[in-house]
Amino acid sequence: AQRVTQPEKLLSVFKGAPVELKCNYSYSGSPELFWYVQYSRQRLQLLLRHISRESIKGFTADLNKGETSFHLKKPFAQEEDSAMYYCVAGGTSYGKLTFGQGTILTVHP
Amino acid sequence: EPEVTQTPSHQVTQMGQEVILRCVPISNHLYFYWYRQILGQKVEFLVSFYNNEISEKSEIFDDQFSVERPDGSNFTLKIRSTKLEDSAMYFCASIQENTGELFFGEGSRLTVL
Repeated sequence: AQRVTQPEKLLSVFKGAPVELKCNYSYSGSPELFWYVQYSRQRLQLLLRHISRESIKGFTADLNKGETSFHLKKPFAQEEDSAMYYCVAGGTSYGKLTFGQGTILTVHP
Repeated sequence: EPEVTQTPSHQVTQMGQEVILRCVPISNHLYFYWYRQILGQKVEFLVSFYNNEISEKSEIFDDQFSVERPDGSNFTLKIRSTKLEDSAMYFCASIQENTGELFFGEGSRLTVL
């Protein structure tokens, strides 16, 4: 069975500091990995996916198959980055996603 | 920008009552889903729906649950006889086929007393 683990429930940083949200997965086969974000009073939305290899809002995430990790990084955090971040795995069937527990990121001014 | 809409935003019901949660997916999407999140726990997959039938369901989705899309727009989740442990946020989602991106509604909070 797929499993996604986000070891940190809470993460606090100051504005301008680097931030890394950790994610590890266990999966048989080739996973699709995503980061979804939920800002205060907003809906869950896709932040980025590993296959696109793009940077969204300054965030990047690299799939490391050797370490089975998909950590989310941003070199300089902004206050508007404060949100709940979910690491998510897909690929067993279309649209069926396995969520991590989520990490609440707080960026202090 | 098109959005998935869900009603009601919050429903309080007595244990044993039937509940119907409604969702209007994005109009050109073909795959629809229900997820739920019990307070303090992970978001969990419940069921996927395509071409007017269930394509996959989790072990959570037992005989008390059903889904349908009766009129081609509303996608409903029915819980036949609610239990205390059904209290959760229920998220509807639909998928844009060409990108595979899942679009979520804002959720319906169900409280079973």
